[in-house]
Formats: sequence, C-alpha cells, structure tokens
Amino acid sequence: AQTVTQSQPEMSVQEAETVTLSCTYDTSESDYYLFWYKQPPSRQMILVIRQEAYKQQNATENRFSVNFQKAAKSFSLKISDSQLGDAAMYFCASLTTQGGSEKLVFGKGTKLTVNP
Amino acid sequence: DTAVSQTPKYLVTQMGNDKSIKCEQNLGHDTMYWYKQDSKKFLKIMFSYNNKELIINETVPNRFSPKSPDKAHLNLHINSLELGDSAVYFCASSPLHGYNVLTFGAGSRLTVL
Repeated sequence: AQTVTQSQPEMSVQEAETVTLSCTYDTSESDYYLFWYKQPPSRQMILVIRQEAYKQQNATENRFSVNFQKAAKSFSLKISDSQLGDAAMYFCASLTTQGGSEKLVFGKGTKLTVNP
Repeated sequence: DTAVSQTPKYLVTQMGNDKSIKCEQNLGHDTMYWYKQDSKKFLKIMFSYNNKELIINETVPNRFSPKSPDKAHLNLHINSLELGDSAVYFCASSPLHGYNVLTFGAGSRLTVL
C-alpha cells in the first residue's frame, strides 16, 4: 500500500524567511505523481505544487519549490520569503492507481505558523 | 462560478438520523471522489466514481451510500449517523486520468450530537 509520511506536525517561520516541510513516501509504482496541498483556515484544499516522478527537474511555482529525491523517496517543500498568508496546514500527497481510477493518499499534514 | 460545489457547508444532526451531502462539478471531469477529514485533519478517500460507475470503495461502512445520477453529480447519503461520523467531507473531481490535479470542493462539516 502507498504511504505518505510527514514527520513534522507543526512548524513555524518568521515572515520573509525560508522554511522547508518534509515528506517521505513509499510506493511500488514506477510512474507516479506527488503533490503538496495547502489548507488554510477557510478549509479549502488548494494545490500548491505538483511533481511528476519521471521528471528529474524539481518543480517550482513562484516562492514554492520542491526537493525531489527519488532514490530516497523524499519530497520536501521549500517556501521562500514566507508571507502571513502562507499560514495553513500543508499536506503532502501521492497519486496512486486503483481499479482504473486514481486516488490521492495524503500524509497527516504539517501546520505552518508564520510569525510577523 | 464555483467549479466543485457542495451543499450544505455545515450540518448538525442527532445520532441515528439520516442525512445527505450533495456535490456538483461543472468542470466536465469524468471522475468524482468523496474524502473524509477527521478531527485530527487526516484526509482519506472514501469513494471514487468514473462516469457514474463506482470504482473505489475504501472499506467504508455500508451506512454510507454514494449515488451518482450523472457524471457531474456525486451525492453522499449517510444512514443511522454515529458520533464517529463527525468530520469534514470533501468532494473532488478530476479528469479521467487524474494525474493532473484533483479539484476539491469547500468541504461539508458534519457534526453528530
């Protein structure tokens, strides 16, 4: 079974600083996709960034980037120049295929606090 | 124009009641899902449907019955509600090959008293 582990239940960062959220996963699939989702207090699940496992280049979206280490099965999220609006729960997820349908398997989340 | 809309957003009810949550997507996606987020924020898939056909049923009690009248709608009916059913339920949708992205609704918070 696919598993996703986020070892940091909570993290905090000063505004304008950089923070890295950790994620490791386990999969037997050769081709897969990894995601980071953000859930602010509004409860809405928002896609932050996506990585295709076959791509060696790390994905980047503005201030958000990942460090994808395929051999180590590690997929960390780096947030640069942190802003107050980045405060949220962050979920790492992997996409797996079951019965012809994809499903996301989530980690337990990391609560990020941004201090002014 | 909301892409994935769920109703109601909040639902408070007594143990033993039956309730439904509705979901509609206007993205033209083929696959729809129900996810449950428990009090510890853990998100887990419950069901997925491809074009009205049940594909994934993740060992959910049979008190939970999803229904998909067409590929744009996926409703969740829950019979004989229990305290442990209190959670936030998220509907989501994706293209047939969802390795693009799942688009989530805003969630429906169910509280069972």
